[in-house]
Amino acid sequence: LAKTTQPISMDSYEGQEVNITCSHNNIATNDYITWYQQFPSQGPRFIIQGYKTKVTNEVASLFIPADRKSSTLSLPRVSLSDTAVYYCLVGDTAYSGAGSYQLTFGKGTKLSVIP
Amino acid sequence: DTEVTQTPKHLVMGMTNKKSLKCEQHMGHRAMYWYKQKAKKPPELMFVYSYEKLSINESVPSRFSPECPNSSLLNLHLHALQPEDSALYLCASSRKAGGGKNTEAFFGQGTRLTVV
Repeated sequence: LAKTTQPISMDSYEGQEVNITCSHNNIATNDYITWYQQFPSQGPRFIIQGYKTKVTNEVASLFIPADRKSSTLSLPRVSLSDTAVYYCLVGDTAYSGAGSYQLTFGKGTKLSVIP
Repeated sequence: DTEVTQTPKHLVMGMTNKKSLKCEQHMGHRAMYWYKQKAKKPPELMFVYSYEKLSINESVPSRFSPECPNSSLLNLHLHALQPEDSALYLCASSRKAGGGKNTEAFFGQGTRLTVV
């Protein structure tokens, strides 16, 4: 069961703001939205998590509209070192073990930053 | 300490060998995971342990055998693997299983496994 849908790839120039959108039409009431970054041959790294509206930390912002059927990861002023694959996952703390979709990675978005 | 440590970093094994991958965390997390990742593909969930009990086995062949000796350690025992099992094996942990609030997963750097 595909839980999330993202663009396969995106290109951006250094210094630009990049917005990556994730669609999660079947998000459940208790689900949180979590984004990870992965560099080649490394484990994914947590970036940001949110439930609704806007969340900001030192590396990114996460925008979630009222219907929560999508979310947008915003990376301000990207640099070459932001070239990576970005994954969004949705999951629920009240995990019952009945399904593994909360822990399942979708295809992700490969971001290429161009000098 | 926010690290998940995996050993070894690289492993080459023959199809008749038995080997083990190890994973360790000291963050007090009660959920631990094994993922398999092939080149240019997303991580693929294999097993989930929650409070040291196996809670998910994603139809993984029996040649992969997980073990959780205690809340800080996770092993993956390998036996009679096939060349197509060559991949990056990732271990992760989180405060609780499920992916909800404050349960973000911390990943190790992985073990690059080559089966010859």
